Amino acid sequence: SQQGEEDPQALSIQEGENATMNCSYKTSINNLQWYRQNSGRGLVHLILIRSNEREKHSGRLRVTLDTSKKSSSLLITASRAADTASYFCATDLDNFGNEKLTFGTGTRLTIIP
Amino acid sequence: DTEVTQTPKHLVMGMTNKKSLKCEQHMGHRAMYWYKQKAKKPPELMFVYSYEKLSINESVPSRFSPECPNSSLLNLHLHALQPEDSALYLCASSQDITIQNIQYFGAGTRLSVL
Repeated sequence: SQQGEEDPQALSIQEGENATMNCSYKTSINNLQWYRQNSGRGLVHLILIRSNEREKHSGRLRVTLDTSKKSSSLLITASRAADTASYFCATDLDNFGNEKLTFGTGTRLTIIP
Repeated sequence: DTEVTQTPKHLVMGMTNKKSLKCEQHMGHRAMYWYKQKAKKPPELMFVYSYEKLSINESVPSRFSPECPNSSLLNLHLHALQPEDSALYLCASSQDITIQNIQYFGAGTRLSVL
């Protein structure tokens, strides 16, 4: 019962450029999280944004949330080779309103040195 | 220490074998999770334990049997698996089952069923 659809599915940019990933979801949420996953490894939490927040920053990360459009975006500024990974949004409710962390389809980001 | 440790890192098993995956955390977390992740797909929740009791079973086939011997350990017992069960199995923990809590993931066990 996947909630989030992310786009693009894959993104390749030059080191130093900014990367933007988008997440759309279907039902109301209480909060939305972003996680990073390096190839074949576990996920690492990046940032959590609550439904009453519109924007949040953490280092080179900027997350926005538009609950009216049911969408969120993750911006990584001044990208580095180490940012190469898959990025997942995760909502706290699935399509049926059950409380569980439900991941989007993910964006595979490649930073070209 | 924010580490969740999973063993083994890789596992190859035949369809008649019995094996176990192990997960350990020492953060004092009272919620632990098993996820299954196929290649290029998002993780899918399998089981949730809260205070060592099974809280959620996402209709997982009985050939997967979870166990939580104590608050730091989580096992996943495997028996008579099918080739389509080959995947990355991820363990995670959080402070408690409250959905706003951040989940901390292990590096996963890559399972191949022959």
